[in-house]
Amino acid sequence: AQSVAQPEDQVNVAEGNPLTVKCTYSVSGNPYLFWYVQYPNRGLQFLLKYITGDNLVKGSYGFEAEFNKSQTSFHLKKPSALVSDSALYFCAVRDRRQLTGGGNKLTFGTGTQLKVEL
Amino acid sequence: DAGVTQSPTHLIKTRGQQVTLRCSPKSGHDTVSWYQQALGQGPQFIFQYYEEEERQRGNFPDRFSGHQFPNYSSELNVNALLLGDSALYLCASSLRGRGNTEAFFGQGTRLTVV
Repeated sequence: AQSVAQPEDQVNVAEGNPLTVKCTYSVSGNPYLFWYVQYPNRGLQFLLKYITGDNLVKGSYGFEAEFNKSQTSFHLKKPSALVSDSALYFCAVRDRRQLTGGGNKLTFGTGTQLKVEL
Repeated sequence: DAGVTQSPTHLIKTRGQQVTLRCSPKSGHDTVSWYQQALGQGPQFIFQYYEEEERQRGNFPDRFSGHQFPNYSSELNVNALLLGDSALYLCASSLRGRGNTEAFFGQGTRLTVV
């Protein structure tokens, strides 16, 4: 079984300050990890992913995430937040083992609402 | 290049009715997955189709069924609708066996059951 936890329902940050949105995961095998963003009444937009290699991955709109295997975490970060970053952020995991059966479903966390204020 | 398209965007149904939602995957993708996102929750996996067969299924009752057509488009059918089926239904497309690639999502269908 695989699961994702996003411990914060909401994160508030001032524009120009760094932001962190937390994510921890649980899988039986090795994970593929993803971050998606959702704006009101819209679908999910891909931000970045961890597959293998460098633990720090860079994605769209200046976002990055750090994979920590020992802590089973994949926190989303941005050095300087913008008001336009305000949205709902989802962390998702895919267990590599399921790929042998052909499936590639994603398991999502409950989401973290990011609010960036002037 | 069109992304994932879903129709309709909004739908209102009465309890006990049946509904069909439609999805066209991103060009070049052969796998379609459906997710249910209840208000204030993360998307929950319903099932996945490729080669016109259901390949994976989440913890959803048999009232939820689907179909994939030879052109890779897909339908989600829900029978005997309950109030609790009200949610945003998301379609995602991807490439079979390419677990290291991201899934692309449509804008969703907002289903309201009254």
